[in-house]
Amino acid sequence: SQQGEEDPQALSIQEGENATMNCSYKTSINNLQWYRQNSGRGLVHLILIRSNEREKHSGRLRVTLDTSKKSSSLLITASRAADTASYFCAKEPLSGTYKYIFGTGTRLKVLA
Amino acid sequence: SQTIHQWPATLVQPVGSPLSLECTVEGTSNPNLYWYRQAAGRGLQLLFYSVGIGQISSEVPQNLSASRPQDRQFILSSKKLLLSDSGFYLCAWTSDHNEQFFGPGTRLTVL
Repeated sequence: SQQGEEDPQALSIQEGENATMNCSYKTSINNLQWYRQNSGRGLVHLILIRSNEREKHSGRLRVTLDTSKKSSSLLITASRAADTASYFCAKEPLSGTYKYIFGTGTRLKVLA
Repeated sequence: SQTIHQWPATLVQPVGSPLSLECTVEGTSNPNLYWYRQAAGRGLQLLFYSVGIGQISSEVPQNLSASRPQDRQFILSSKKLLLSDSGFYLCAWTSDHNEQFFGPGTRLTVL
């Protein structure tokens, strides 16, 4: 099966609410990165979290990493309509082969 | 600052025609470079990656090929396109801190 999945596959919330997306993986990693993709566009890098880190923040974004559970979460606080997009996590395996493995993404819709 | 370019932005090609997509990176040297394909509504599939000039690793057997003629140039090619080659093609590079950054993508439609 795939090296990790995001869940939920789709999420619809009201503007101002928080959105939480999760990413799981199966084998050990060097780091994990979160991306946003607006419809038909390229991916925008949000946050990289390394295997020895537990939490990182960037503006309204908060990423956590639990290596014991092999999972990460992305929290968007006080969501805005402009946050509507697909969100992906990408894992770099510990084997260090320069390859990044992407999940299938979470489609977030923020309703104004 | 670093910038990554891809062209063309969109492309419509007939089945059996050749393909050449170009990616260039500015503002960095000796980056790792990547080609991904994204089917509609799906995640990214790694096609090729390169750690240096002339060094190409292929991840998925198919009728596509990649070349890296210069340090900051990565080219995706095909001699004969198939219908299944349609998709959104993304080029990416990684920084010294392992952050991966993407280009704007090329949407390819094979008819």
